[in-house]
Amino acid sequence: ETGVTQTPRHLVMGMTNKKSLKCEQHLGHNAMYWYKQSAKKPLELMFVYNFKEQTENNSVPSRFSPECPNSSHLFLHLHTLQPEDSALYLCASSQRQGQENSPLHFGNGTRLTVT
Amino acid sequence: KNQVEQSPQSLIILEGKNCTLQCNYTVSPFSNLRWYKQDTGRGPVSLTIMTFSENTKSNGRYTATLDADTKQSSLHITASQLSDSASYICVVRENNAGNMLTFGGGTRLMVKP
Repeated sequence: ETGVTQTPRHLVMGMTNKKSLKCEQHLGHNAMYWYKQSAKKPLELMFVYNFKEQTENNSVPSRFSPECPNSSHLFLHLHTLQPEDSALYLCASSQRQGQENSPLHFGNGTRLTVT
Repeated sequence: KNQVEQSPQSLIILEGKNCTLQCNYTVSPFSNLRWYKQDTGRGPVSLTIMTFSENTKSNGRYTATLDADTKQSSLHITASQLSDSASYICVVRENNAGNMLTFGGGTRLMVKP
């Protein structure tokens, strides 16, 4: 296990649905991240939370709404998505944002398909 | 604009053979470079980190090199195993207030028996 758990592993939703992705880390880290991984493209940073405060929103459309109730939990609320939003959504954590030699610890992702 | 380019995009080798993956970057100022391994259906896992002063670092059958002057890194895999089949992602961190990360597109390696 990676120490970062994401649920669900797979999600199929229609464009009018509302769903949420969940991420939980058991590593005692203070920074949590959402990344989007599309086929044949580099990972794209979406959001960063450092000590529960949002510090990065990488021009993500408002149909994606993050929530970080505490340092161990991170959610991504989805509504009125588009087919091009289909991708693997990866959650990661680190000791704190920007710590130089601290690696990201990734979950195994949620494979999202928007129909 | 900071960029990280990896080559080849994909690679097929026979079990037991060696291979080398390349990573070229334009990120500046440079802090460190990390290689991640991503198995199918899994999240990336860190293999090794290279800082400015390091030229070579090994982690088992994986050896990473860094040439900070030419802004190139390589990941050499020795005596490949079927379990090495994965995507390998190069990630470079800036050395500034934001310490931003720039990800490469990855090299997909398939090791065949």
